[in-house]
Amino acid sequence: DSGVTQTPKHLITATGQRVTLRCSPRSGDLSVYWYQQSLDQGLQFLIQYYNGEERAKGNILERFSAQQFPDLHSELNLSSLELGDSALYFCASSPRASTGELFFGEGSRLTVL
Amino acid sequence: QQQVKQSPQSLIVQKGGISIINCAYENTAFDYFPWYQQFPGKGPALLIAIRPDVSEKKEGRFTISFNKSAKQFSLHIMDSQPGDSATYFCAASKVISGSRLTFGEGTQLTVNP
Repeated sequence: DSGVTQTPKHLITATGQRVTLRCSPRSGDLSVYWYQQSLDQGLQFLIQYYNGEERAKGNILERFSAQQFPDLHSELNLSSLELGDSALYFCASSPRASTGELFFGEGSRLTVL
Repeated sequence: QQQVKQSPQSLIVQKGGISIINCAYENTAFDYFPWYQQFPGKGPALLIAIRPDVSEKKEGRFTISFNKSAKQFSLHIMDSQPGDSATYFCAASKVISGSRLTFGEGTQLTVNP
């Protein structure tokens, strides 16, 4: 158990809809990262937050947004969903902004029909 | 831009054999090279990591070999066991930039009993 909690574990929705994925980092970790894992593209970095502020942005679509709240939990919002958004979305946390080791949650599996 | 290339995509090894997974990177600024292990239904978990100031790091049956001049690193699993069957990801990052891990495409390892 990494200590990172993600909800929901599974989500099925329709194209055009909007969903919110939630992540609670390990106790004391200030950095939260979101990754997308799909079969054909491996693990793709989406975005990082550190202590409530956006720190780094990767291949995140404009239809996606995220935030980190004062209690350090994070939410990833996916809107105008398309079939291609079906994937596993992982949240990871780390104690600081500049450390290599990430602790991953078990992921949220999104299926868009 | 894929900056970390991993091979092979899949690997089948007999119990007791040696599993070898290779990765090559492009960005010479990378200074942290971890390997993550992922079991079905779980998030990736750090297995072993190396910095570029050493050429080899060993932890139990797992060894990372690092060749800075060739910009390559590999994971060796000695005495492979069925419990090692998982997907392995190499990754690289420039720690100072905040752990923006760039992952390889993954290798699905199957160890037959």
